[in-house]
Amino acid sequence: DAGVIQSPRHEVTEMGQEVTLRCKPISGHNSLFWYRQTMMRGLELLIYFNNNVPIDDSGMPEDRFSAKMPNASFSTLKIQPSEPRDSAVYFCASSLTPVAAQYFGPGTRLLVL
Amino acid sequence: SQQGEEDPQALSIQEGENATMNCSYKTSINNLQWYRQNSGRGLVHLILIRSNEREKHSGRLRVTLDTSKKSSSLLITASRAADTASYFCATDGEETSGSRLTFGEGTQLTVNP
Repeated sequence: DAGVIQSPRHEVTEMGQEVTLRCKPISGHNSLFWYRQTMMRGLELLIYFNNNVPIDDSGMPEDRFSAKMPNASFSTLKIQPSEPRDSAVYFCASSLTPVAAQYFGPGTRLLVL
Repeated sequence: SQQGEEDPQALSIQEGENATMNCSYKTSINNLQWYRQNSGRGLVHLILIRSNEREKHSGRLRVTLDTSKKSSSLLITASRAADTASYFCATDGEETSGSRLTFGEGTQLTVNP
């Protein structure tokens, strides 16, 4: 298996633009997580899905952020409109269950100018 | 506050020495996991220890769990420069109704050649 796949790996955009991050979890994994990591705030859970259903989105910063999982092999995290404070590394992770070992993707490094 | 809190925040040792990192948590857990993050990469799962286990080994890694003290330690023996990374503990504590993992803030380990 190729592991968790994220795209793009790097994204530079201007404030106000829409940003879409993509994730393909490991086949057979039922849980998918979106994290954000910054030096200041560390690793933050934004939202997680179980069997394609959003279970906990309490970490989503505000309405500018939205996430979808239309099927078991694909998820998106969208930021619209983006702001400079959204600059961070965004990780997607998947696991067999919400409390099993998580497998992280390589991350998307987002810079909003 | 964080469910899992690592201690120390940073640790610097010489190659060949042992490195010990600690994790404390506040609520009852079913399992505790340790992860490693190399700079610029996603987290990598190292080891999972269940609440009814006291010690677990994997190669040069030794993890202990003391549920009475609500603490765990990760020991890396005969450290190498390649062990330089951040190490995180994660728990499935009651603060999330055991429904998902909560990550600590991590210990930054530097192994000097």
